[in-house]
Amino acid sequence: DTEVTQTPKHLVMGMTNKKSLKCEQHMGHRAMYWYKQKAKKPPELMFVYSYEKLSINESVPSRFSPECPNSSLLNLHLHALQPEDSALYLCASSQGGSGTSGSYNEQFFGPGTRLTVL
Amino acid sequence: AQKVTQAQTEISVVEKEDVTLDCVYETRDTTYYLFWYKQPPSGELVFLIRRNSFDEQNEISGRYSWNFQKSTSSFNFTITASQVVDSAVYFCALGTGGGNKLTFGTGTQLKVEL
Repeated sequence: DTEVTQTPKHLVMGMTNKKSLKCEQHMGHRAMYWYKQKAKKPPELMFVYSYEKLSINESVPSRFSPECPNSSLLNLHLHALQPEDSALYLCASSQGGSGTSGSYNEQFFGPGTRLTVL
Repeated sequence: AQKVTQAQTEISVVEKEDVTLDCVYETRDTTYYLFWYKQPPSGELVFLIRRNSFDEQNEISGRYSWNFQKSTSSFNFTITASQVVDSAVYFCALGTGGGNKLTFGTGTQLKVEL
């Protein structure tokens, strides 16, 4: 199974709502990532989990809260979002952890959740 | 600091033409990794290739080929006999310094028309 799955595919939420994005992989990867991508821009890294611990937080506002319940699952909890948070949210995973040794493994991406904040 | 430049914002070709997508990178590190990803309209980024800085061999995979030249800090991607299904945004990315954090280029939109 070489797939990263994400649910939901589309999400529309109001600024006062609380919602969660889910990501799952069964490739035995130990690093998982959340990216945000605006139209016609490259993906921007938000968070990295390595061996189920948060290893990178790219100064993301606290209205985005990541969670890694186990090595296969990654969630992104959303609360009090702003319209400018509307974007494609991509999850990815890679083999091994995200250690400081600098050996970069390819990241495999899910299809994304297209989020609209009204 | 790391930087990836994809100077071609958009390229349009007719099917069966060959097309080369340029990627120029900047890093002071001697160990680094280069990647190409394809993003079709569906949104998912599809991994195409990974190359480390110690391996300058060019690679061919079917209609795809990559030319890595450290002397010019370039990692160009050529599609031979392009097809409509090749229409997508292509991102070049650089990984260095640990943490698995990638620096992406701004992407090249490729449109292949009949």
